[in-house]
Amino acid sequence: ETGVTQTPRHLVMGMTNKKSLKCEQHLGHNAMYWYKQSAKKPLELMFVYNFKEQTENNSVPSRFSPECPNSSHLFLHLHTLQPEDSALYLCASSQGTGINTGELFFGEGSRLTVL
Amino acid sequence: QQPVQSPQAVILREGEDAVINCSSSKALYSVHWYRQKHGEAPVFLMILLKGGEQKGHEKISASFNEKKQQSSLYLTASQLSYSGTYFCGTERDDYKLSFGAGTTVTVRA
Repeated sequence: ETGVTQTPRHLVMGMTNKKSLKCEQHLGHNAMYWYKQSAKKPLELMFVYNFKEQTENNSVPSRFSPECPNSSHLFLHLHTLQPEDSALYLCASSQGTGINTGELFFGEGSRLTVL
Repeated sequence: QQPVQSPQAVILREGEDAVINCSSSKALYSVHWYRQKHGEAPVFLMILLKGGEQKGHEKISASFNEKKQQSSLYLTASQLSYSGTYFCGTERDDYKLSFGAGTTVTVRA
């Protein structure tokens, strides 16, 4: 139990589907992150939210749309994805960002396959 | 700009030692180390904030050389539980964390 829960753990979708990934943290943290993990590649930061406000969008295509209704929940809405978007999507949280980032707590990830 | 890790993979027998290196082309504020076992979340190991500082947990330790802009992770007397992929994350003075591609460690009995 890492304190960060992601659902679903596995998702298969067609290129015309719309789906969402959900992340919930029970650690009282103020910052939440979405990372993309592809085989043999570095973890790619996608989005950062601090106190529900988006502070980083790492040039992510608009077919990925994040939503952070409060400091404990983070969503990633997916639509018209491409097969190359297939990857493990990791959510993480931390106490803060910037100089106060400290340790990141990761969820176990949502394995996405786009057909 | 992402740090470069080496080697990409290492295979050890129980009790052997290994070193994983992480280097950056830019000046660093801190270095983070994480380990991810197959099918699990990455787990924090340690943060190094000062140049030349060494930190450790049990038989896993790390050093951070500010001048050389690099960090090394030392696995001493490796155990089967050390198997996994080790990632370094580097923070520059903009405090943005970038991760390397990872080093896969396999420890065999």
